[in-house]
Amino acid sequence: GQNIDQPTEMTATEGAIVQINCTYQTSGFNGLFWYQQHAGEAPTFLSYNVLDGLEEKGRFSSFLSRSKGYSYLLLKELQMKDSASYLCAFTRYSTLTFGKGTMLLVSP
Amino acid sequence: GAVVSQHPSWVICKSGTSVKIECRSLDFQATTMFWYRQFPKQSLMLMATSNEGSKATYEQGVEKDKFLINHASLTLSTLTVTSAHPEDSSFYICSARAFTLTSGASTDTQYFGPGTRLTVL
Repeated sequence: GQNIDQPTEMTATEGAIVQINCTYQTSGFNGLFWYQQHAGEAPTFLSYNVLDGLEEKGRFSSFLSRSKGYSYLLLKELQMKDSASYLCAFTRYSTLTFGKGTMLLVSP
Repeated sequence: GAVVSQHPSWVICKSGTSVKIECRSLDFQATTMFWYRQFPKQSLMLMATSNEGSKATYEQGVEKDKFLINHASLTLSTLTVTSAHPEDSSFYICSARAFTLTSGASTDTQYFGPGTRLTVL
């Protein structure tokens, strides 16, 4: 079967670093996406990993280990506007399966 | 680039009526679009895959006669919620499939529309 799991909530302070983990199980796998979703809005694309390793893009980095079924999103220099839900999703035959999202609250 | 629009952004309707939601890819052609539903504090659940010029593929448990999908052109897909009931109240989001260059490689990516908030009274 297919399963994807990530923490429900996380809190951090402005300027800090936070790592959001995601584990998944699936019989077919093409790649792993991370999306950011603010309340009442649609998700926006953050990153995509298809190979093992770390992809860095500004303040955000994403890591993937295909053998372990594991990914994380690393957010550096946190800002208040980073308070949002972060969704990991794996792609399998061009369809996305989403986790329930991790609600990140950044406090001053 | 890769902008997806949805219309309307919100709609309130009476129980028993039908509601049509449009999803457009504004600056690219999308042979494949996807429709998702999201309940409060829940994840996005894929409802169906919409392919231009052919019938949509529905996920298990999604009634195809209730959620009519039409993908008549490369830039437009529509979702019609027929005979809507209060339990259909949800956030409906479409996405369009596009291939983008990421680190020199072509990436199969979905770009999401802004969503439509449906409230059925």
